Amino acid sequence: GESVGLHLPTLSVQEGDNSIINCAYSNSASDYFIWYKQESGKGPQFIIDIRSNMDKRQGQRVTVLLNKTVKHLSLQIAATQPGDSAVYFCAENIGSGGSNYKLTFGKGTLLTVNP
Amino acid sequence: DTEVTQTPKHLVMGMTNKKSLKCEQHMGHRAMYWYKQKAKKPPELMFVYSYEKLSINESVPSRFSPECPNSSLLNLHLHALQPEDSALYLCASSHTRYTEAFFGQGTRLTVV
Repeated sequence: GESVGLHLPTLSVQEGDNSIINCAYSNSASDYFIWYKQESGKGPQFIIDIRSNMDKRQGQRVTVLLNKTVKHLSLQIAATQPGDSAVYFCAENIGSGGSNYKLTFGKGTLLTVNP
Repeated sequence: DTEVTQTPKHLVMGMTNKKSLKCEQHMGHRAMYWYKQKAKKPPELMFVYSYEKLSINESVPSRFSPECPNSSLLNLHLHALQPEDSALYLCASSHTRYTEAFFGQGTRLTVV
């Protein structure tokens, strides 16, 4: 059978509901975070970002919350639509100077929106 | 223009072949990245170029050889790959470390 490790965490919601996708990061030196959406066969697409000197940032229908104490990031999507169905990744940039561009990705969550 | 263009979109190569993946951006970004992504997994960082110099190599095998000919172009030269190297290879670029990285659509590589 398939390994558990091959399965993405999944979230299934009804159209119009709010969605919350969570991400834990491990490096306390990370100081910039990005949420990406990836549809099948495509590259990751930017949704929203946040720097570590903030704990909340809002965009159009999306909100990112950052809790540095427990190293946790969440993405809230309001009034979820079928077009929001995709895999969502959080990414962190580990800070160590202005020229450090090390951007690494978390595991990802598959969001399925049911009409 | 906010695009990162990758060519080819699909590539099938034998284990003795030499091929190259290409990536281009015209956003004036000074950082460019190569990632490898297997099915149902997150993109895995391979290389980062900052101001046309290799700044990060995540212990990638030498059969993968990156090159940054100028600030707009990034290549990944492939030689003697293994079937387990089959994956989606993604290129990205960013302006600073506090701005988002823009991704291309990837090259789907199959090694036979």
